[in-house]
Amino acid sequence: DVKVTQSSRYLVKRTGEKVFLECVQDMDHENMFWYRQDPGLGLRLIYFSYDVKMKEKGDIPEGYSVSREKKERFSLILESASTNQTSMYLCASSLYQGGSYEQYFGPGTRLTVT
Amino acid sequence: AQSVAQPEDQVNVAEGNPLTVKCTYSVSGNPYLFWYVQYPNRGLQFLLKYITGDNLVKGSYGFEAEFNKSQTSFHLKKPSALVSDSALYFCAVSNNDMRFGAGTRLTVKP
Repeated sequence: DVKVTQSSRYLVKRTGEKVFLECVQDMDHENMFWYRQDPGLGLRLIYFSYDVKMKEKGDIPEGYSVSREKKERFSLILESASTNQTSMYLCASSLYQGGSYEQYFGPGTRLTVT
Repeated sequence: AQSVAQPEDQVNVAEGNPLTVKCTYSVSGNPYLFWYVQYPNRGLQFLLKYITGDNLVKGSYGFEAEFNKSQTSFHLKKPSALVSDSALYFCAVSNNDMRFGAGTRLTVKP
């Protein structure tokens, strides 16, 4: 089974702090994704990566950056956390680039910014 | 641009009854369509997908979905609902990027 793990299940940070969310997958998947999930809005894509050291902006990249130094690890960085970034953050991976491959999700990190 | 609509925020069914969770899509070209389920405090789990071929796709936990090209729909179905099916269900359409619907909360009552 594919396993996608995220470093924290719950996180509370203060406004202005720099926040790191880590994601690791163990199935040698090429692609990794970061989403945020908000009620009534579904999942919105923040950033994705098709290869090591490669990143692409999703629909809502503002206020976020990412890092992929190793194939199995994809980090999401909130440069200066704000209250409107309070959300559930989900990491996912898929085998290859292309629309037909399903994504495998981690358990999520519920981030609260106060 | 591709998009997905789930017209119902909430679906309630009695245990043992058939269930349907609706999804319509908009995409240029041939669609890749997916259903995912999210149980409380968990990530999303893949249920099934349509790539090509038979319009009726079977997936995990007894779920199936029917692809209808003329109606641009991909409704999720199950012949007999279980209380344990209660969860949040997401439809998604993919070209290179995956786009998710807003989700439908399914409640199955005993």
